[in-house]
Amino acid sequence: QSALTQPASVSGSPGQSITISCTGTSSDVGGYNYVSWYQQHPGKAPKLIIYDVSNRPSGVSNRFSGSKSGNTASLTISGLQAEDEADYYCSSYTSNKTWVFGGGTKLTVL
Amino acid sequence: QVQLQESGPGLVKPSQTLSLTCTVSGGSISSGGHYWTWIRQHPGKALEWIGYVFYSGSTYYNPSLKSRVTISVDTSKNQFSLKLSSVTAADTAVYYCAGTADTWFDPWGQGTLVTVSS
Repeated sequence: QSALTQPASVSGSPGQSITISCTGTSSDVGGYNYVSWYQQHPGKAPKLIIYDVSNRPSGVSNRFSGSKSGNTASLTISGLQAEDEADYYCSSYTSNKTWVFGGGTKLTVL
Repeated sequence: QVQLQESGPGLVKPSQTLSLTCTVSGGSISSGGHYWTWIRQHPGKALEWIGYVFYSGSTYYNPSLKSRVTISVDTSKNQFSLKLSSVTAADTAVYYCAGTADTWFDPWGQGTLVTVSS
């Protein structure tokens, strides 16, 4: 199973919105509404911020939102804040009953 | 609130077996609410799902690692473990244990770096 495709980096200014894409195939992203997103600060473990495409766990800011169209899922962060600067990873359940991750996107808040 | 903590050697020699344990606190590993999962993160940042074990002992592994991986559970100690045999430098990574409640990973342990080197 190949890794999901994410842009290597994105950037935005405080207050702006950014979107990170996550492209897979009909065997993973396109085939299931089981995409999740994780935020990882340097030296820390990944933290769940979106599950099942668009659901936010309790305690996660509503500035984070997720969506999906076809084989591509997206994470949008609105009202960018300095603390949003981190690496972001998508993940999807697959037809092989396994999970696959994206390569990660580094978000820089300018 | 369930918390996870990895433990094990930080250095393993090539061709040997990597062994890690994850201790679950704040909840019972036998509650049935989670699959207990191992994930690794290579130095270049990529995350890779290794496999999971259910409290009953049933397992499922990443096909790319299946021939070398064993994940087991010890309900009496509230722990689950990872063994990866015949390691090479390509197995150098930060290894995380995590809970899989349904189709997502939460919570995660803090991670432990394992380096394969002679």
